[in-house]
Amino acid sequence: EAQVTQNPRYLITVTGKKLTVTCSQNMNHEYMSWYRQDPGLGLRQIYYSMNVEVTDKGDVPEGYKVSRKEKRNFPLILESPSPNQTSLYFCASSSLDWTSSFGPQAFFGQGTRLTVV
Amino acid sequence: AQSVAQPEDQVNVAEGNPLTVKCTYSVSGNPYLFWYVQYPNRGLQFLLKYITGDNLVKGSYGFEAEFNKSQTSFHLKKPSALVSDSALYFCAAGDTGNQFYFGTGTSLTVIP
Repeated sequence: EAQVTQNPRYLITVTGKKLTVTCSQNMNHEYMSWYRQDPGLGLRQIYYSMNVEVTDKGDVPEGYKVSRKEKRNFPLILESPSPNQTSLYFCASSSLDWTSSFGPQAFFGQGTRLTVV
Repeated sequence: AQSVAQPEDQVNVAEGNPLTVKCTYSVSGNPYLFWYVQYPNRGLQFLLKYITGDNLVKGSYGFEAEFNKSQTSFHLKKPSALVSDSALYFCAAGDTGNQFYFGTGTSLTVIP
């Protein structure tokens, strides 16, 4: 089954304690991205990656890091989380084959609800 | 700045009536346009997309969307709403630089 898997689904942490949210996809997609969803603001793109070792900033990259060492994985790293990073996070992946009937449709993970206290 | 706007936070419609969820975009070039639906405690699910071609795009669950280049709009429509259509709907645009921009979402409630 084609899917994007995020872990953990729920996380409560304290300010300053480094954390990583993992994201893995099984569709061999080139493109992966991270979003945060906040009430009244919709989804905002944090970082995206066009392929292995290729990452770029989205609209709200401050306070976040990513890496893309393997095609299937795209972890989101918060080196020093702060309360304003409390949010619902989504990972997504898609093919870059624009001619495909499926591309560039994005597949989303189930979300990670992060609370920073 | 590139952006996608959904002017209505909330849309209420009676079951069986037609529904429209509005979306306008301000993205350079010829963006790709999408609609996604989000049910409670779930990730976003793809409904339909416009890449090129026919301005009326048909998608999942009986939804369709009309692309209007002159008005830079991509409104989501359905001829007859179901209670099960109640959810949060997001419009999105992808630019040629492969960034995606989402609207703020519209909560659709279909009243039995």
